Amino acid sequence: GDSVTQTEGLVTLTEGLPVMLNCTYQSTYSPFLFWYVQHLNEAPKLLLKSFTDNKRPEHQGFHATLHKSSSSFHLQKSSAQLSDSALYYCALSRDYGNEKITFGAGTKLTIKP
Amino acid sequence: ETAVFQTPNYHVTQVGNEVSFNCKQTLGHDTMYWYKQDSKKLLKIMFSYNNKQLIVNETVPRRFSPQSSDKAHLNLRIKSVEPEDSAVYLCASSYLGGNTQYFGPGTRLLVL
Repeated sequence: GDSVTQTEGLVTLTEGLPVMLNCTYQSTYSPFLFWYVQHLNEAPKLLLKSFTDNKRPEHQGFHATLHKSSSSFHLQKSSAQLSDSALYYCALSRDYGNEKITFGAGTKLTIKP
Repeated sequence: ETAVFQTPNYHVTQVGNEVSFNCKQTLGHDTMYWYKQDSKKLLKIMFSYNNKQLIVNETVPRRFSPQSSDKAHLNLRIKSVEPEDSAVYLCASSYLGGNTQYFGPGTRLLVL
């Protein structure tokens, strides 16, 4: 079956430093990849999703590149902000129109001053 | 305001009781979902409905049953709750064929 593996547990960074959260996946299909973000006591929200034409999605300073050769979709940001502290989920779906999304275990990112 | 709404926010009950959670979306979507987020923050899909029809049914205990009156509402009933049911239950919605899901704020269940 499909699976998603993320940077484990807790990542703590100092404000202003670059962010990289790892995400690798396994799927017998050619899936679409997503990053969802969940701030404390809020609902998860879509942050990024992969494109079919290999464009690099960007939002709120975050970007991720889908590398099919290495089955990866790492999340990056050049300079962390305090407001980036949240729980980040990498997820995949097999194709557009497939309603089942498989989520990774989540990575809690904490940004310190 | 267009969003996904869930009630109650928080519910405490005892083992063996029945509980019911409500979810409504005003986004005009035709597909709705229930997820369970456990204490380790693992997020797993339980059910998915499209226009009142069940389309995804993961392996969940039979005491869980979704109920849909129309495409904007998807409720979740748990008969005879058990301690391991303590979790946050998240409702989400999307268009069928689109894969951006919009989540509600969740219902936190504590089973004593």
